[in-house]
Amino acid sequence: GENVEQHPSTLSVQEGDSAVIKCTYSDSASNYFPWYKQELGKRPQLIIDIRSNVGEKKDQRIAVTLNKTAKHFSLHITETQPEDSAVYFCAASPGWAGSYQLTFGKGTKLSVIP
Amino acid sequence: NAGVTQTPKFQVLKTGQSMTLQCAQDMNHEYMSWYRQDPGMGLRLIHYSVGAGITDQGEVPNGYNVSRSTTEDFPLRLLSAAPSQTSVYFCASRGQVNTEAFFGQGTRLTVV
Repeated sequence: GENVEQHPSTLSVQEGDSAVIKCTYSDSASNYFPWYKQELGKRPQLIIDIRSNVGEKKDQRIAVTLNKTAKHFSLHITETQPEDSAVYFCAASPGWAGSYQLTFGKGTKLSVIP
Repeated sequence: NAGVTQTPKFQVLKTGQSMTLQCAQDMNHEYMSWYRQDPGMGLRLIHYSVGAGITDQGEVPNGYNVSRSTTEDFPLRLLSAAPSQTSVYFCASRGQVNTEAFFGQGTRLTVV
């Protein structure tokens, strides 16, 4: 089955700096890669996703890059703000019909220091 | 449109007791799943279903049972609770491959 590794497990940055979280996956059939943000005591919520036919995707201060050859993808947050403090999870999923399973990384706790 | 609704939010059980965690979605999603979240372990898949009448095991299925009699509901049963099942449980649903998974609000379960 799929295995997703996520690094680092904790990350502290000064407000205004950038944060980068990296994930690798094992199954070359995976072609959907979402990122979830989980605030303390809340449910995970999708912040951005990327499909394998795209190398990069941006949404305001958030961007995700994908390298299918190397089987890794990364989340980039620029101009970090205190409200970015949360746990972030990457995930991978095969895109073929009938396969809905998401395999998650173990998460990165991001702390943005004011 | 409520999305994914999970009940209860909190529960304390004694070892050996049984209980059912409820999960319902109103988005007509075929795929539903249960995860448990433990510190440093991420979200681990317990059981999943790709439609009414179809269920399968995930990564950590032991001690849990599921059924899917309707598209909307996917309850998770703890057969005989153990302290190792102390965790936060999330139900999730997806409508199609390569689309967002929507999570319920979670159930914090403590087994004493």
